[in-house]
Amino acid sequence: EVQLVESGGGLVQPGGSLRLSCAASGFTFSGYKMSWVRQAPGKGLERVATITNNGGATSYADSVKGRFTISRDNSKNTLYLQMNSLRAEDTAVYYCARGGIAVIFDYWGQGTLVTVSP
Amino acid sequence: EIVLTQSPGTLSLSPGERGTLSCRASQSVSSSYLAWYQQKPGQAPRLLIYGASTRATGIPDRFSGSGSETDFTLTISRLEPEDFAVYYCQQYGISPITFGQGTRLEIK
Repeated sequence: EVQLVESGGGLVQPGGSLRLSCAASGFTFSGYKMSWVRQAPGKGLERVATITNNGGATSYADSVKGRFTISRDNSKNTLYLQMNSLRAEDTAVYYCARGGIAVIFDYWGQGTLVTVSP
Repeated sequence: EIVLTQSPGTLSLSPGERGTLSCRASQSVSSSYLAWYQQKPGQAPRLLIYGASTRATGIPDRFSGSGSETDFTLTISRLEPEDFAVYYCQQYGISPITFGQGTRLEIK
């Protein structure tokens, strides 16, 4: 059974940093592109970042470019999102999803809440 | 960036009725890379349709997708109580990957 389990969310002050993790199981992690998608309270979905299966290429939403870094450790079956210079508008539930460009987002984690507030 | 506009914003229907949800793209989208998701409160999105018309594993056949280029449709042939949720379209063929703003399907 495919499972994606996010962790690392919480309350952080504006300008602070946080690192999210997504532990994958039930499939060959190194064979898939992976993405982070976020959803602000009461709002729609926004793709934040995507990474290729070997980590060789990444892409970001303009809203996070230069502040967030997506990475992966295929030996640990884990996806990461390093978030720096956090702003109030980054407050959202962050989901990891299996998928990316030309690859459907077929499995999603349960999400982890990030709250940016003084 | 491809902007996806979903309509209507809210659709009020009764169980047993037919639901038709629209997704319009600001430029042509390859049908191979158009998907629909269902999201219920407090839950992650669930993949319903990919490739514009292919049902994902385990999705009932009352859900169907159609369309091409800039106009896509999700149809629910006969609404069940569990179908009332928010639906999103997504294009995943051209970077950046984008989602529509969602259609809320509510019980009338």
